Amino acid sequence: AQSVTQPDIHITVSEGASLELRCNYSYGATPYLFWYVQSPGQGLQLLLKYFSGDTLVQGIKGFEAEFKRSQSSFNLRKPSVHWSDAAEYFCAVGSPGGNEKLTFGTGTRLTIIP
Amino acid sequence: KAGVTQTPRYLIKTRGQQVTLSCSPISGHRSVSWYQQTPGQGLQFLFEYFSETQRNKGNFPGRFSGRQFSNSRSEMNVSTLELGDSALYLCASSPDAGQGYNEQFFGPGTRLTVL
Repeated sequence: AQSVTQPDIHITVSEGASLELRCNYSYGATPYLFWYVQSPGQGLQLLLKYFSGDTLVQGIKGFEAEFKRSQSSFNLRKPSVHWSDAAEYFCAVGSPGGNEKLTFGTGTRLTIIP
Repeated sequence: KAGVTQTPRYLIKTRGQQVTLSCSPISGHRSVSWYQQTPGQGLQFLFEYFSETQRNKGNFPGRFSGRQFSNSRSEMNVSTLELGDSALYLCASSPDAGQGYNEQFFGPGTRLTVL
């Protein structure tokens, strides 16, 4: 069965600092990988996705993620965070083949300090 | 294009009651999925509907059910509510163009509180 691990429950960074959120997945083949962001009281917004091809993917709001098959990782990065980036971030894996089910990690809460 | 809409946004029920939540997908989207989000269990997949048929199902008891109408709108129902059913219920729609995985677009959720 597929699974996703986000080892960091809570991360605090200073505004303007760089950010890396970790995500490891378990899946038998190459999965479809996603990062979503959720602001308080809101639904999920897709930041970026990886299906195949270039392992460095660019997303919205200046985020990027790198797929590393050898490490089963899909870490999210941003070179300089803004106070508006404070939210909860979820990594998710989907199954190729048209199965719409997403398996989510437990999320990482990001706090930005001035 | 309007996004995924969910009604109601907030709901308070008591144990033993039943509840129906509604989801209207993005126009043209044919697949609707439901997820439960709780602080303890995180985001968990409930079920997915496509063309009025349940296509995928998560590991939830039979008290959780759903359906999809011909216009792709979907409802989920929870019967005999328990305190543990308190959660944010998220609906997601996707176009399902039949070409591999399709991006899912999430609604704002319905916050259900069971007293």
